[in-house]
Amino acid sequence: NAGVTQTPKFQVLKTGQSMTLQCAQDMNHEYMSWYRQDPGMGLRLIHYSVGAGITDQGEVPNGYNVSRSTTEDFPLRLLSAAPSQTSVYFCASSGRKETQYFGPGTRLLVL
Amino acid sequence: AQTVTQSQPEMSVQEAETVTLSCTYDTSESDYYLFWYKQPPSRQMILVIRQEAYKQQNATENRFSVNFQKAAKSFSLKISDSQLGDAAMYFCAYSTLFHNTGTASKLTFGTGTRLQVTL
Repeated sequence: NAGVTQTPKFQVLKTGQSMTLQCAQDMNHEYMSWYRQDPGMGLRLIHYSVGAGITDQGEVPNGYNVSRSTTEDFPLRLLSAAPSQTSVYFCASSGRKETQYFGPGTRLLVL
Repeated sequence: AQTVTQSQPEMSVQEAETVTLSCTYDTSESDYYLFWYKQPPSRQMILVIRQEAYKQQNATENRFSVNFQKAAKSFSLKISDSQLGDAAMYFCAYSTLFHNTGTASKLTFGTGTRLQVTL
């Protein structure tokens, strides 16, 4: 099993550009989520999904969209990037009553 | 809303010694999970240990153990026989349960403790 994979590893965007951060898991986990990590802070939840077709907002959802068309994939979309979205983004997944397992992260720089 | 507090921004321990990292949390729930995650310079989030709130027995994983005090809402991590590879950021995290599915819910993280291990 590859576990949780994320692409790209690093991305530079200009303000106003759009992009999609990819996340995939091969563990047949129902639950997937996106977090962002900023300096001096712990991870904060952006959006999460409890299964295909079901998504909901976390603590810091503004500026981000998600969808879950399959169990395996949970992409995060930035429609119009802002410098405040410069961060490290982590995707995580878990099954029933299981621990959340994290991907390797995507470092995003918005100029 | 749940909160997680790690009051020690940095800690230092000598190799082979024991160190304890502190964590407190606030919740009105009775059933939840608590976690310690390790984040080395590679930024990968690695699970260290997990505790279910309904279990009175403290979790242990090799050199890592916790002191879970439910009434005090305290969840400290003890690292015994510290090794150079233990140097990392350590995050305490809390999650409730999805009541319908029982799946572990959203994680709330503390701000982390940076652990240095010296020779």
